[in-house]
Amino acid sequence: QVQLVQSGAEVKEPGASVKVSCKTSGYTFTGHNIHWVRQAPGQGLECMGWVNPNTGVTKYVEKFQGRVTMTRDTSFSTVYMELSSLISDDTAVYYCARDLGYNYGRPLDYWGQGTLVTVSS
Amino acid sequence: QSALTQPASVSGSPGQSITISCTGTSSDVGAYNYVSWYQQHPGKAPKLMIYEVSNRPSGVSNRFSGSKSDNTASLTISGLQAEDEADYYCSSYIRSNTVIFGGGTKVTVL
Repeated sequence: QVQLVQSGAEVKEPGASVKVSCKTSGYTFTGHNIHWVRQAPGQGLECMGWVNPNTGVTKYVEKFQGRVTMTRDTSFSTVYMELSSLISDDTAVYYCARDLGYNYGRPLDYWGQGTLVTVSS
Repeated sequence: QSALTQPASVSGSPGQSITISCTGTSSDVGAYNYVSWYQQHPGKAPKLMIYEVSNRPSGVSNRFSGSKSDNTASLTISGLQAEDEADYYCSSYIRSNTVIFGGGTKVTVL
């Protein structure tokens, strides 16, 4: 069965960086893009961008360009999302999610359990 | 790109039908038949309920249906059940090859 398992909660100080991992299993890792979506406390979903695990090509939402880096390790079927220059507004649950495919308009059919990142001094 | 517009809350009694709207623009909802809907229970990850406006993934109840007219998409839940109480988010593919989400709608079963 398809699974996406994320790394544990993180507490970071303002100005620091955080790197969240998303280990996938149960399907061909290189066959589907992985998106990162975040959700601030009590707020809605916000797309950050995606990485193509086959090619390493990335697409970042303009708001996060320059601050986010999405990478993958095909040996471990794992993708990573690193966010730098953290501020308190970056406090959120960060989800990785599998993209069903471009031909379907990129619906996200499987999600990780979420990783809470807290930014606080 | 602004978020899609959803009502903050919708409620209904068990057995009734409710509809959640999702309004965008001619650059997102109106431009593509690529609207998805997600259900999110408190403390849980979102779950895909509808994709390509009206397609249901395997395992999703046929009580959930989707439609679209011009720049507005809709999710209808028929035969409302207690377990349907959750937050619902729409999303649309956009030209920059990513997706945007709506602000979310809280569904309450009275």
